[in-house]
Amino acid sequence: DVKVTQSSRYLVKRTGEKVFLECVQDMDHENMFWYRQDPGLGLRLIYFSYDVKMKEKGDIPEGYSVSREKKERFSLILESASTNQTSMYLCASSSQGARQYFGPGTRLTVT
Amino acid sequence: AQSVTQPDIHITVSEGASLELRCNYSYGATPYLFWYVQSPGQGLQLLLKYFSGDTLVQGIKGFEAEFKRSQSSFNLRKPSVHWSDAAEYFCALNSGGSNYKLTFGKGTLLTVNP
Repeated sequence: DVKVTQSSRYLVKRTGEKVFLECVQDMDHENMFWYRQDPGLGLRLIYFSYDVKMKEKGDIPEGYSVSREKKERFSLILESASTNQTSMYLCASSSQGARQYFGPGTRLTVT
Repeated sequence: AQSVTQPDIHITVSEGASLELRCNYSYGATPYLFWYVQSPGQGLQLLLKYFSGDTLVQGIKGFEAEFKRSQSSFNLRKPSVHWSDAAEYFCALNSGGSNYKLTFGKGTLLTVNP
């Protein structure tokens, strides 16, 4: 069965800390995505990657960076966490056909 | 630019009643369309998708959706709602580009009364 896993379900960090969110997929998918989800705003795309070492900005990339060194792993990095980055973060992957498979999400709280 | 609108933020239905969740899109050609469901604290699960062909699409859990080009709509329906259907529902659009990005609506929260 298809599987997208995220390193943590819940994470609490302090303002200014560097935060790494990890996502791993086992389906050999080319495309991987990071979204944040906030009440009333739906899902907003932060970054996506269509190949190893390739990345493109989504709709809200400010304050974030990403890394994709291996096909199965896509990391989201908050260089200096701020309270307005408190959110649910969802990772997804896809291959042909546009359907995206989602991980369970990481709920990040920045205090 | 493409966009997806879900006009209803929150809908409440009684168990056993029929359900229709609305989705309107803006895109110059025929898009790929999706409905996802998110149970509390969970990731998103695909209910159904439309790429081409028959405009009435069947999905999992007894859901169906109808693509209407003339109305730029892709409404989700279920004839009889179960308490376990309580969740948030998202409509999404893909323009068919090679990067397969999805544009999501803001979601509709469904509450089911016993």
